[in-house]
Amino acid sequence: AQSVTQLDSQVPVFEEAPVELRCNYSSSVSVYLFWYVQYPNQGLQLLLKYLSGSTLVKGINGFEAEFNKSQTSFHLRKPSVHISDTAEYFCAVMAGNQFYFGTGTSLTVIP
Amino acid sequence: DSGVTQTPKHLITATGQRVTLRCSPRSGDLSVYWYQQSLDQGLQFLIQYYNGEERAKGNILERFSAQQFPDLHSELNLSSLELGDSALYFCASSTRPNPGNGYTFGSGTRLTVV
Repeated sequence: AQSVTQLDSQVPVFEEAPVELRCNYSSSVSVYLFWYVQYPNQGLQLLLKYLSGSTLVKGINGFEAEFNKSQTSFHLRKPSVHISDTAEYFCAVMAGNQFYFGTGTSLTVIP
Repeated sequence: DSGVTQTPKHLITATGQRVTLRCSPRSGDLSVYWYQQSLDQGLQFLIQYYNGEERAKGNILERFSAQQFPDLHSELNLSSLELGDSALYFCASSTRPNPGNGYTFGSGTRLTVV
C-alpha cells in the first residue's frame, strides 16, 4: 500500500527566511512524486514533479525539492519566502495508476 | 485559468437532496478525475474516467455516481445528501490515463449541505 506523510500541518515563517516542508512516502513500487500548491479559494496547482533523472527538481516560484530514495523523502524548499507564498502545500505520490495525496501543510509567511 | 472548468462554484442544498456537479476538462485531455476535499478527510480520490469509460474507483460512496460524456465533460451526481457531504469537490484532467505528468485541477465546487 502507498501512503504519503506530511509531517508538519502548519509552518509559520518570517518573510525572506528559508523554509522546508517535509514529505515522506511509503511504496512498494516505483513512484512519481509531486508537490502542489493551493491558494485560498482556488484549485491545486502543480509546483514541481520528480519522474526520473536528477534528484534535485526545480519548480515554479523559486521552489525546489530533492528526492531521497533511501529515506523515501521528497522535501520542498525555498531559500527566501515571500508573503505571496502563503498557501496550502500538498505532497503527492503516483504509484500505479493512482495519486495519493498527503494531508497538506499550511505555510504562513509572516511580514 | 487552468483550463479545467467546474460549475457551479458554490452550491447550497438541503439534506436528502440530489445535486450534479459538472466538469469540462482541459482541451485535449481525455482523462477526468474527481476528488473530495474536506477538513477531516483531506483530499480523497473518488473516481476516474478515461475517454468515456470508468478507469479507477476510490473512496466513492454508493450514493455518488459519475459519468463522462462523448464530448469528454463529466458529471458527478451526489444523492441523498448528508451534512457530512459538505466539502470542496475538485475535478482534474490529464492527457493520458496514467497521469505521469500530474493533473490539472479545476477551481472546485464548494458544496454546503444544510
